[in-house]
Amino acid sequence: GAVVSQHPSRVICKSGTSVKIECRSLDFQATTMFWYRQFPKQSLMLMATSNEGSKATYEQGVEKDKFLINHASLTLSTLTVTSAHPEDSSFYICSARDEGTDTQYFGPGTRLTVL
Amino acid sequence: QKEVEQNSGPLSVPEGAIASLNCTYSDRGSQSFFWYRQYSGKSPELIMSIYSNGDKEDGRFTAQLNKASQYVSLLIRDSQPSDSATYLCAVRGSSASKIIFGSGTRLSIRP
Repeated sequence: GAVVSQHPSRVICKSGTSVKIECRSLDFQATTMFWYRQFPKQSLMLMATSNEGSKATYEQGVEKDKFLINHASLTLSTLTVTSAHPEDSSFYICSARDEGTDTQYFGPGTRLTVL
Repeated sequence: QKEVEQNSGPLSVPEGAIASLNCTYSDRGSQSFFWYRQYSGKSPELIMSIYSNGDKEDGRFTAQLNKASQYVSLLIRDSQPSDSATYLCAVRGSSASKIIFGSGTRLSIRP
């Protein structure tokens, strides 16, 4: 299957700092990428849909000023968690849609811990 | 009614038996259906996709789709302990670019 990478895989930061997570589609171009968050033993929660060259679409209840999304190219989307707090600690997973195969592939995820 | 519904489980199946995972969806116009497997602490990985009514087989996995009943299932033959995971059903609706995920069924294969 297609490969989606995420970096970093794990990050620990102090409260109040910002953290940037990168998501790359390695062997296909992705007009649309998605950002999810998952707390322990809970379901995936879609945070936002990232569209190349335009503004992201955020799900209800997700603060767009706190979770900044940039999709500057067809292979890269970034999520920046601004002024992170301990309650933002979670597993963040990106996903990219391969329109050629109409399939969505997931990155390996980034585990964020805010102290 | 949720857009994609799955029984949360856990579903316990003896090793070597057939595990049957079920999913229903609400959007009658949905065209694309997917099954993902998620191990604890890992991200989901795609197992199968299915687009037309009937069965689709890939190794030990068989996906079944019945659009009239708005029902999609995943059968796992000769279940192995390594199949123990949460299985997510996902559906792309008739007018959406995003996939809607069910909450997942936790499957446990007992030796």
